[in-house]
Amino acid sequence: GAVVSQHPSWVICKSGTSVKIECRSLDFQATTMFWYRQFPKQSLMLMATSNEGSKATYEQGVEKDKFLINHASLTLSTLTVTSAHPEDSSFYICSARDCSGRACEQYFGPGTRLTVT
Amino acid sequence: QKEVEQNSGPLSVPEGAIASLNCTYSDRGSQSFFWYRQYSGKSPELIMSIYSNGDKEDGRFTAQLNKASQYVSLLIRDSQPSDSATYHCAVRGDGQNFVFGPGTRLSVLP
Repeated sequence: GAVVSQHPSWVICKSGTSVKIECRSLDFQATTMFWYRQFPKQSLMLMATSNEGSKATYEQGVEKDKFLINHASLTLSTLTVTSAHPEDSSFYICSARDCSGRACEQYFGPGTRLTVT
Repeated sequence: QKEVEQNSGPLSVPEGAIASLNCTYSDRGSQSFFWYRQYSGKSPELIMSIYSNGDKEDGRFTAQLNKASQYVSLLIRDSQPSDSATYHCAVRGDGQNFVFGPGTRLSVLP
């Protein structure tokens, strides 16, 4: 299957600082990428849909000024958590859509575990 | 609102048995259906996709789709302890958006 990478895989930051997470599709072009958040023992929660060259679409309840998304190229989307607080500590997972085949399939990156102290 | 529903489990089966995971969806216009496996602390991994009614087999996995009943299932034959994970059903509608179910936690007991 297609490969999606994320960097960093784990980050610890102090409260009030900003953290940038990168998501890359390694062997396909992704016009659409997605950012999810998952708290322990809970399901995936879609935060936003990132479209190359245009503004991201945020899900209800997700603050767009706090979670900045940039999809500058067909292989890279970034999520910046601004002014992070302990309640932002979570597992952030990106996903990229590969529509090069007969039908579109969606692949997940390995995730980034964010701990805000 | 388009929904995908799954029993949260845990579903416990003995090693070697067949595990049956079920999923229902609300959007009749849904075109594509997927099963993802997620181990604890890891991100989801695509294991099966199915697009037309009937069964699709891949090794020990069989996906079943019934669009009339808006039902998709995943059967795991000869279940192994390594199959213990959370299985998410995902549905893609004609609007191209993927909707994920909450996941069913499967536990295969040695």
